[in-house]
Parts: sequence; structure tokens; C-alpha cells
Amino acid sequence: NAGVTQTPKFRILKIGQSMTLQCTQDMNHNYMYWYRQDPGMGLKLIYYSVGAGITDKGEVPNGYNVSRSTTEDFPLRLELAAPSQTSVYFCASSYPGQGHNEQFFGPGTRLTVL
Amino acid sequence: KQEVTQIPAALSVPEGENLVLNCSFTDSAIYNLQWFRQDPGKGLTSLLLIQSSQREQTSGRLNASLDKSSGRSTLYIAASQPGDSATYLCAVMGFQKLVFGTGTRLLVSP
Repeated sequence: NAGVTQTPKFRILKIGQSMTLQCTQDMNHNYMYWYRQDPGMGLKLIYYSVGAGITDKGEVPNGYNVSRSTTEDFPLRLELAAPSQTSVYFCASSYPGQGHNEQFFGPGTRLTVL
Repeated sequence: KQEVTQIPAALSVPEGENLVLNCSFTDSAIYNLQWFRQDPGKGLTSLLLIQSSQREQTSGRLNASLDKSSGRSTLYIAASQPGDSATYLCAVMGFQKLVFGTGTRLLVSP
């Protein structure tokens, strides 16, 4: 199993541009999450999904959108990039049907907005 | 709102020392607590997960304890090695959501 994969690894955007961060997991996990980590800080939850077709907001959802059309994929969309969205973005997933269990993380996408 | 605090923010020790990292949380209604390791520029590696009904978990030189009633967890690292140098993050699981602390940056010098 590849686990949780994220693309791209790095990206530089100009203010106002849009992009989609990709996340795929091959562990048949129902639960998937998007976090952001600012320098020297812990991770903050942006959005999460408990299954295909179901998404919900986390702590810091403003400026982002998500979709979950399949169990495997959970893309994160930035519509109008702002400097405040410069961060490292992590995708995670957890065991099928048990959102309270161990979360597995991808390697992250480092995004800079100039 | 759940808040997770980790003390100290940074720790520097010589190789071979035993050390303790602390994590406290404000809401004791948790499902589990996870300790993660994060190397610079890398993702998170799960070290230990303690379910709310458990008191401790062990993996090799690592031992994590949980006192839910007092809102505290400790990560004990025995016989520290330079390869243990990393940031250690504590996270508590509420309903469907993990809340993270800001981490302890550990440096183990040879």
C-alpha cells in the first residue's frame, strides 16, 4: 500500500490564483481530513469527510472547498489564493467506520502565496 | 473548545538521558490521544495511540501515559539517541476531530 499520497509537494501561487491540492489513500478508509500547519504551530483542521459525498467544516474552513466523490480521493480547492494561506497542508485518513482511531498522514504540500 | 498545550516548547539533552514530554488538554471528553513525531520538512509519523479507557501504551523505548480526569499525558523516552531529534506532537481526538498541540522540539546531542 502507498498509504496517503499528496500532490504536488511544493507550489508557489500568486495572489488571486486558484489551485487544487490532491489527496489519495489506498487503505479503504472512510474518514479523510485536511489540515494546515503554520510555522512553529500545531495542525489545524480545515475540512473533513466521513465518507463519499459527505463533507464538513473544521476549525479554519474559510477560503477552501472540498469534495469527496470517491472513497479514495479528497481534493482541497483554493479559489482565490491569499498570503494568509501560505502554509503546509496535510491530508490524513483513518480506519473504515471508526473516525476515532489512528490517523495516517500524507507527506504534505508546501504552499507559498506571493 | 478543546485546547492542547505542550510543555516544554523545546528541549535539548545529551545522548543517553531519559526524558519526559508533557501534554495537557482542557476537555476530558476525548476518545483517544495520539503522539506523533515530525521531522523537519516532513509529514507526521504516529508513535503511540492511547484509547480513552487505557492508562498507557508502550512501543520500544517509548511509553505514553494518559490521565483523562486531570487532562494530562506524558511521553517518556528512555535512553535518548541523536536519531530521536524531532518535533513531538500530541493530539486529542474529540468527536470526529483531532486537536493538536504546538509540539515539543527535541534535540539530542551526541
